[in-house]
Amino acid sequence: DAMVIQNPRYQVTQFGKPVTLSCSQTLNHNVMYWYQQKSSQAPKLLFHYYDKDFNNEADTPDNFQSRRPNTSFCFLDIRSPGLGDAAMYLCATSRDRGEETQYFGPGTRLLVL
Amino acid sequence: AQSVTQPDIHITVSEGASLELRCNYSYGATPYLFWYVQSPGQGLQLLLKYFSGDTLVQGIKGFEAEFKRSQSSFNLRKPSVHWSDAAEYFCVSNNAGNMLTFGGGTRLMVKP
Repeated sequence: DAMVIQNPRYQVTQFGKPVTLSCSQTLNHNVMYWYQQKSSQAPKLLFHYYDKDFNNEADTPDNFQSRRPNTSFCFLDIRSPGLGDAAMYLCATSRDRGEETQYFGPGTRLLVL
Repeated sequence: AQSVTQPDIHITVSEGASLELRCNYSYGATPYLFWYVQSPGQGLQLLLKYFSGDTLVQGIKGFEAEFKRSQSSFNLRKPSVHWSDAAEYFCVSNNAGNMLTFGGGTRLMVKP
């Protein structure tokens, strides 16, 4: 089945230790998104890639970076995680920009010790 | 600016009872509207979507939603709730740039 896959599902890191979260998709979609979702809140968009074109949200901290080496994969790098970065991180894809449906992965829950 | 409001933060219904989750949007043109469901510790699953055409849309798991332009609403309904429907429900709109605007979510609890 075509899908959005996120690994790992749970990630524990130490305060200040860099961490990378992974997302892959078999949908061959052009756009990939990363969202941060804190407890009892709606997801918040961090950034998205339209093909290789990176689009950062204005209020996304510099601590968060992303890479998209090819169509299928997209990574979220947190350079120096703080306690406030503990959250669920959701990857989503859409076929194109515009009025398109976004399909979400199962998420990675990040715990910062 | 575009906004989506879900007036009910929590709703509790008995298993087998009917359900309606409210959603109101604020947008100049007709928005593209979605309902997603999120079980605890999981990602968001698309229940249904409205782009245009028939204002009553059918989704998965027995859910439906009705777009009412006059009321700026897109309420989600299910005639008979199952215990497995307990989850967080998000009403979402999509602007022309494909940036999603989320409602605050409604947490559904189902009593046996």
